[in-house]
Amino acid sequence: QLQLQESGPGLVKASETLSLTCTVSGGSISSSSYYWGWIRQPPGKGLEWIGSIYYSGSTYYNPSLKSRVTISVDTSKNLFSLKVNSLTAADTAVYYCARVVVAASALDDWGQGTLVTVSS
Amino acid sequence: QSALTQPASVSGSPGQSITISCTGTSSDVGTYDYVSWFQQHPGKAPKLLIYDVSERPSGVSDRFSGSKSGNTASLTISGLQAEDEADYSCCSYAGGSTWVFGGGTKVTVL
Repeated sequence: QLQLQESGPGLVKASETLSLTCTVSGGSISSSSYYWGWIRQPPGKGLEWIGSIYYSGSTYYNPSLKSRVTISVDTSKNLFSLKVNSLTAADTAVYYCARVVVAASALDDWGQGTLVTVSS
Repeated sequence: QSALTQPASVSGSPGQSITISCTGTSSDVGTYDYVSWFQQHPGKAPKLLIYDVSERPSGVSDRFSGSKSGNTASLTISGLQAEDEADYSCCSYAGGSTWVFGGGTKVTVL
């Protein structure tokens, strides 16, 4: 049973950098069958795809966030990470990590999500 | 890359069928047969209901079905039940290993 678990601070200050980690258990992050992605959802709003990474380290970002986002992978620890810099209140959201099936381009397993609040 | 367009809300009575639309562009929904749908109950993570336009993962009820025509995808829920009351979001592959989501639709069971 695959499990994804997000971890990181729940409160960060505006203009600073958010760092989150997604630890994968019950499966290998080094599988060629999957990407690993980050998605966020502001309170009361829809989902927004942030970006994804392949085990090789290849990254793909939402063009609207690309200048502020970095996603990395650590295959030795079976985890991947997200950094978002120059934070504003608009970055307040529940942040989810998810597994993306390459063949179906579908996000089939999700973490429980973690709420990040950006304070001024 | 603009968000896909979904109606804000759809409602129906128990036992009825409802359909949720998801309109994109020729850069996403219209080009790729990689449309998926998610169900999300309050405070919970999204759950995959449909992938590849009309395929259901193991364990998902056959009351949920998907289709696509041109730039618009649709999710139909048949035999509406109280437990179906939730938010539903569509998602489409948009090329270059990027994805785009819809704004979400709140389904109310009357």
